[in-house]
Amino acid sequence: KAGVTQTPRYLIKTRGQQVTLSCSPISGHRSVSWYQQTPGQGLQFLFEYFSETQRNKGNFPGRFSGRQFSNSRSEMNVSTLELGDSALYLCASSFRGIGTEAFFGQGTRLTVV
Amino acid sequence: LAKTTQPISMDSYEGQEVNITCSHNNIATNDYITWYQQFPSQGPRFIIQGYKTKVTNEVASLFIPADRKSSTLSLPRVSLSDTAVYYCLVGEGAPGGYQKVTFGTGTKLQVIP
Repeated sequence: KAGVTQTPRYLIKTRGQQVTLSCSPISGHRSVSWYQQTPGQGLQFLFEYFSETQRNKGNFPGRFSGRQFSNSRSEMNVSTLELGDSALYLCASSFRGIGTEAFFGQGTRLTVV
Repeated sequence: LAKTTQPISMDSYEGQEVNITCSHNNIATNDYITWYQQFPSQGPRFIIQGYKTKVTNEVASLFIPADRKSSTLSLPRVSLSDTAVYYCLVGEGAPGGYQKVTFGTGTKLQVIP
């Protein structure tokens, strides 16, 4: 079966702009969670969506938001970009939630200049 | 959130058994422990998950002592392809339920020929 697809793979944005990242989970999976990965902070949990509802949220400012559609596809939005938002953004798809076996996409590499 | 601590790096020769330990002193009663493997430029890949005692699958074993303040991922007879970063994840709440997740700092395993 098809894996988790994240688009775009690479993105360059200017400080102050906003960005939207997309994640298409594995068919049948209702949970999509998002992570930020940087060399300094490692893998940090952003939020999880399950059946279109945000079920959990990490410790990130309100500039980071997301949503999930009825087909389980999810988008993550970052507004008023800062240089420190440069990172690899990963999404993970699972049937019951991140605590169970989750499948990660290859990520979107965001560079803020 | 239960904070986790892992060794930053480990080296091992091919064919040896590798044990990577994760400390999670503040783990709660209903927390679970999950391990992921990550190769460069890829999303993490699920390895194994457990609550207590010992869990074994086709690629690894997970040992969790009675006090659950640590866990050890055991990789039997590693090969060069096992060179990767290994993450310990501690989640609050039952798998599939409401949960926060905390990734460890990751252990970079280098397998030497």
